[in-house]
Amino acid sequence: GNSVTQMEGPVTLSEEAFLTINCTYTATGYPSLFWYVQYPGEGLQLLLKATKADDKGSNKGFEATYRKETTSFHLEKGSVQVSDSAVYFCALSDRDQGAQKLVFGQGTRLTINP
Amino acid sequence: SQTIHQWPATLVQPVGSPLSLECTVEGTSNPNLYWYRQAAGRGLQLLFYSVGIGQISSEVPQNLSASRPQDRQFILSSKKLLLSDSGFYLCAWSTRTGYNSPLHFGNGTRLTVT
Repeated sequence: GNSVTQMEGPVTLSEEAFLTINCTYTATGYPSLFWYVQYPGEGLQLLLKATKADDKGSNKGFEATYRKETTSFHLEKGSVQVSDSAVYFCALSDRDQGAQKLVFGQGTRLTINP
Repeated sequence: SQTIHQWPATLVQPVGSPLSLECTVEGTSNPNLYWYRQAAGRGLQLLFYSVGIGQISSEVPQNLSASRPQDRQFILSSKKLLLSDSGFYLCAWSTRTGYNSPLHFGNGTRLTVT
């Protein structure tokens, strides 16, 4: 079945550091790929998405490129802020009977120190 | 604009007691609805999804059930809670059309079974 693997956390960085959170996937067909972010005590929010190979999703300074050849969708940000501290989830879409079922990675907790 | 409401935000229940978590969506019609669970230190697991009133698909065998009595209402239930039912429960919705439509999550219910 489809699956998503994220780099193990937690990740701790200093403010203005460069961020990479690795994500690889296994899927049949051509899924869409997503990054969601979860701030403390809240639900998940969509951060960015890419729907086909070589697409780049971007939002709030974060970027991720859909790499079909390496089955990856790594999340990057050039200069992180304290407010980026959260749990980040990589996910792929798996459609079944009209429902948009998302398969999530295990999440990566990111802490940014001032 | 669309909004999703979940309640209660937190719940502490003894083993063997019943459970009812409710989720409602406003500002959209005919949504797909989902229940996810996030266990401590783990990723998100899809429990149930629904593409219409009275239509429920279960992803994993468990002690829980779901119902959709109205178009924009989704209920998660249990007759007798187990310790292993503790976790963070998230309701989500997506549009019916669009393979790439994102899921929109509520703020979740933290359930502790004692």
